[in-house]
Amino acid sequence: AQSVTQPDIHITVSEGASLELRCNYSYGATPYLFWYVQSPGQGLQLLLKYFSGDTLVQGIKGFEAEFKRSQSSFNLRKPSVHWSDAAEYFCAVGGSNTGKLIFGQGTTLQVKP
Amino acid sequence: GAVVSQHPSRVICKSGTSVKIECRSLDFQATTMFWYRQFPKQSLMLMATSNEGSKATYEQGVEKDKFLINHASLTLSTLTVTSAHPEDSSFYICSALSPGRGTYEQYFGPGTRLTVT
Repeated sequence: AQSVTQPDIHITVSEGASLELRCNYSYGATPYLFWYVQSPGQGLQLLLKYFSGDTLVQGIKGFEAEFKRSQSSFNLRKPSVHWSDAAEYFCAVGGSNTGKLIFGQGTTLQVKP
Repeated sequence: GAVVSQHPSRVICKSGTSVKIECRSLDFQATTMFWYRQFPKQSLMLMATSNEGSKATYEQGVEKDKFLINHASLTLSTLTVTSAHPEDSSFYICSALSPGRGTYEQYFGPGTRLTVT
């Protein structure tokens, strides 16, 4: 079955600390992987995506993610978190056949001053 | 580029009435659009896939007669919630897909908050 798991429902980090949000997926074909961020009451903003090639991808706002096929993971990282990064983060997987995305449950990031 | 708009951003309607939500791709042609529903503190649930000029494909468990989807042009899809009830209150988000842009990436609208009283 196709699925995305974000094991951490809620994470709290101090401002300036590093961040890693976990994402594991199960997908039968070659996956396209995405990380989105959602602020309260807003739509989704794409942080970064992986289709092929270099397994370490850089995104906006200083985020990066690493695709590890052997671990079926696509974890999101940021070396130094800013208070404005507090939001909901969603990992998603899709394929080229339908364009449909499967979303993880989301991780709420809280940033302590 | 790749901007998707939704209108209205918020709507309040009375139980039993119908409400239409528009999703527009502003600067590209969207062959496929998706409609999602999001409950508070939860993930996005795909409701249906809408392809221009053809009938929408609904996900299992989604009532097609309650959630009418029309994709009449390459830049506009509409979701009509018919005979709305309080349990239909939710955040509805659309996205647009354009393989012609070279990637299978969905571009999301800002969402519509529906409250049924």
